[in-house]
Amino acid sequence: NAGVTQTPKFQVLKTGQSMTLQCAQDMNHEYMSWYRQDPGMGLRLIHYSVGAGITDQGEVPNGYNVSRSTTEDFPLRLLSAAPSQTSVYFCASSYSAKGNEQFFGPGTRLTVL
Amino acid sequence: GNSVTQMEGPVTLSEEAFLTINCTYTATGYPSLFWYVQYPGEGLQLLLKATKADDKGSNKGFEATYRKETTSFHLEKGSVQVSDSAVYFCALPLKTSYDKVIFGPGTSLSVIP
Repeated sequence: NAGVTQTPKFQVLKTGQSMTLQCAQDMNHEYMSWYRQDPGMGLRLIHYSVGAGITDQGEVPNGYNVSRSTTEDFPLRLLSAAPSQTSVYFCASSYSAKGNEQFFGPGTRLTVL
Repeated sequence: GNSVTQMEGPVTLSEEAFLTINCTYTATGYPSLFWYVQYPGEGLQLLLKATKADDKGSNKGFEATYRKETTSFHLEKGSVQVSDSAVYFCALPLKTSYDKVIFGPGTSLSVIP
């Protein structure tokens, strides 16, 4: 199993550009989520999904969209990048959302100029 | 409300020193507790866990005991190695909500030869 994969590993954007961060898992996990990690802030939940076709907002959803058309994929879209979105983004998955171990991808380091 | 308090670093130790990273939590009921580790340039991975009071989780020489009376889950290792240099996160997965794994802010550990 590849586990949780994320692409790209690094990305530089200009303010106002859009892009999609890709996330895929091959463990047949129902629950997937996106976090951002900023110095001194820990991990903050952006969006999550409890299954294909179902998504919901986390604590910092503004400026991001998600969709979940398949169990395997959970892309994160930045519609109009802003410097405040400079961060490291992690995708995670778990068998279920309630109290289970989450498996994390290697992260995408995004810089918005 | 639910929260995790974790000692902030950075922590610098010499090889073979004893390590303690404190973690306390506030939660309703009796949640599971996790420690995750993030090695440089990588995503988080589960280090150990405990699912009920008085449980001791252990892995790679690290241990943590779930103390209900003090609401704590301190991470310990008797003799750290350079390869243990990483960021350690205490985490509280909530069994009553789909949208929450509460992570502590992380403790950066550097072990010098």
